[in-house]
Amino acid sequence: NAGVMQNPRHLVRRRGQEARLRCSPMKGHSHVYWYRQLPEEGLKFMVYLQKENIIDESGMPKERFSAEFPKEGPSILRIQQVVRGDSAAYFCASSPPGPGWVNYGYTFGSGTRLTVV
Amino acid sequence: DAKTTQPPSMDCAEGRAANLPCNHSTISGNEYVYWYRQIHSQGPQYIIHGLKNNETNEMASLIITEDRKSSTLILPHATLRDTAVYYCIVAKSGSARQLTFGSGTQLTVLP
Repeated sequence: NAGVMQNPRHLVRRRGQEARLRCSPMKGHSHVYWYRQLPEEGLKFMVYLQKENIIDESGMPKERFSAEFPKEGPSILRIQQVVRGDSAAYFCASSPPGPGWVNYGYTFGSGTRLTVV
Repeated sequence: DAKTTQPPSMDCAEGRAANLPCNHSTISGNEYVYWYRQIHSQGPQYIIHGLKNNETNEMASLIITEDRKSSTLILPHATLRDTAVYYCIVAKSGSARQLTFGSGTQLTVLP
């Protein structure tokens, strides 16, 4: 049973380019969460999605950042017109549906390290 | 969600038990205590969680005080591979599923 798969592992973008980060949840998990970890800082919640729905985006920056989780395919975190301050590790986690999620914890992927040059 | 307080760092000798404390004095009745760890630059790893009772799994034990205002994560026989940042998180079941990570405790297991 494959875990949460994130790709790419490392991504280098020039300032002003777009970054697309992908996350495939564990089999049977229909809830996806994105977290960002800036250098030498803790993890910060960004967004929580179910299939075709954004449930909570309270941690997303107001501009340039968007996320989706389509009916088919992985969840995508998209950063437009990247700036140096976007350089960070971006982690995706998934959990099963229903109230039983509290009994399992989240499964995190290995992350995507974004470097903006 | 309730706020947690953890010591910033701890050392432990290899093979000894590592006891990591967490204070969550404002925890409410329907909030769970979760522990995760992050080994250098990797994704966080779920360790254990509990509501009221003490819990044990293959990785660790979780001791929650009777008033639920604090808890201790116990790694019974720490190894060098247990060196990591350990996060104590309080969260409730329901529609709000985000986990709030604090600064955690940097545990260093010494040979």
